[in-house]
Amino acid sequence: DQQVKQNSPSLSVQEGRISILNCDYTNSMFDYFLWYKKYPAEGPTFLISISSIKDKNEDGRFTVFLNKSAKHLSLHIVPSQPGDSAVYFCAASGRLKNYGGATNKLIFGTGTLLAVQP
Amino acid sequence: DAGVIQSPRHEVTEMGQEVTLRCKPISGHDYLFWYRQTMMRGLELLIYFNNNVPIDDSGMPEDRFSAKMPNASFSTLKIQPSEPRDSAVYFCASSPTLRGAFFGQGTRLTVV
Repeated sequence: DQQVKQNSPSLSVQEGRISILNCDYTNSMFDYFLWYKKYPAEGPTFLISISSIKDKNEDGRFTVFLNKSAKHLSLHIVPSQPGDSAVYFCAASGRLKNYGGATNKLIFGTGTLLAVQP
Repeated sequence: DAGVIQSPRHEVTEMGQEVTLRCKPISGHDYLFWYRQTMMRGLELLIYFNNNVPIDDSGMPEDRFSAKMPNASFSTLKIQPSEPRDSAVYFCASSPTLRGAFFGQGTRLTVV
């Protein structure tokens, strides 16, 4: 079962416009959320994060919004640039049940390929 | 800081052969993760260690998969015997906490 879901496999945006990437999660035990960016043939790199006690975190052109009641977060990139073209992974961290106990986990989504057109 | 180092970068092997992927985490990081990237499941957590001890291996797909961390600077992920459906990119990552991870460049495994 996919506990972190990115329902859009791809997104195409014009340079200068806003890119909005979405992520949904199913487990209310997640309390920390992250976005990673991945270029081809490289490992994912950390972009921005947000704690469940906040609903917004901003870092330059990147803003992450968290809606806990909807179990939904989004990443806004504005203005979008061609260099932003990459796969974006949403991730969630929390203490999850496992084998009758519980362990802390960092779970990733399936990724969204963002293409920013010049 | 060299970051997380994985080897080999690419591995092509025949079905039924044993495959060993290697990882050197960032010094001082207490957590080490093994992830597998596929189109269908994205980045799938296979197993993670804390202070060299396996904490959660519920993501390991089958008994053909095993992982070890004999010391704080080295970990292996072994597949024996390998099958074509194991073809994927395998990432090792490390972190000082569970609030994120620093990834290596990955090993692209192709089983023919």
